[in-house]
Amino acid sequence: SQKIEQNSEALNIQEGKTATLTCNYTNYSPAYLQWYRQDPGRGPVFLLLIRENEKEKRKERLKVTFDTTLKQSLFHITASQPADSATYLCAKSPENNAGNMLTFGGGTRLMVKP
Amino acid sequence: EAQVTQNPRYLITVTGKKLTVTCSQNMNHEYMSWYRQDPGLGLRQIYYSMNVEVTDKGDVPEGYKVSRKEKRNFPLILESPSPNQTSLYFCASSLMGGGGYTFGSGTRLTVV
Repeated sequence: SQKIEQNSEALNIQEGKTATLTCNYTNYSPAYLQWYRQDPGRGPVFLLLIRENEKEKRKERLKVTFDTTLKQSLFHITASQPADSATYLCAKSPENNAGNMLTFGGGTRLMVKP
Repeated sequence: EAQVTQNPRYLITVTGKKLTVTCSQNMNHEYMSWYRQDPGLGLRQIYYSMNVEVTDKGDVPEGYKVSRKEKRNFPLILESPSPNQTSLYFCASSLMGGGGYTFGSGTRLTVV
């Protein structure tokens, strides 16, 4: 079955630096990879979605890349701020209409220190 | 404001007492899903719906029921709750099934 893996260890970085989070998947390439932010006790918030035919997607300080050769997506936050501290979830779907096949990774906790 | 509304936010109940967690979205989304989130296990899909009267099982459907009689509502029903259903539950909706989901604020359920 498809698996999606994120580094379970927390990532600690200094304010102003670029945070890079990794999401790896197995088997076939998903049609969509997406990233969510989750704060403790709250629902995930959708950030960015990238399609398999796209290499890169940007939104303000956020950037997502999708490498189908490496079977990996990278999520970057530039000029990080303490307010960016949260858990970031990666999720994948094989196709647009597969509502039952949206799979989440375990998430990586990001801590940005002032 | 576009949102997914879940109720209640917190619920403590006893084993075997039927309960319903409501979910409503105001974005005219076709796709809706229920997830549970447990420490170390991440988000796991319970049920999903592609449209009115169209539902299907996710990864962990045992012990749960859903219905989709109207596009905006997708209640989660626990007919006979057990302690292993103690969890944080999220409802989510999307315009497209593949992603871009809007999540509710969550329902923390404790079954004693």
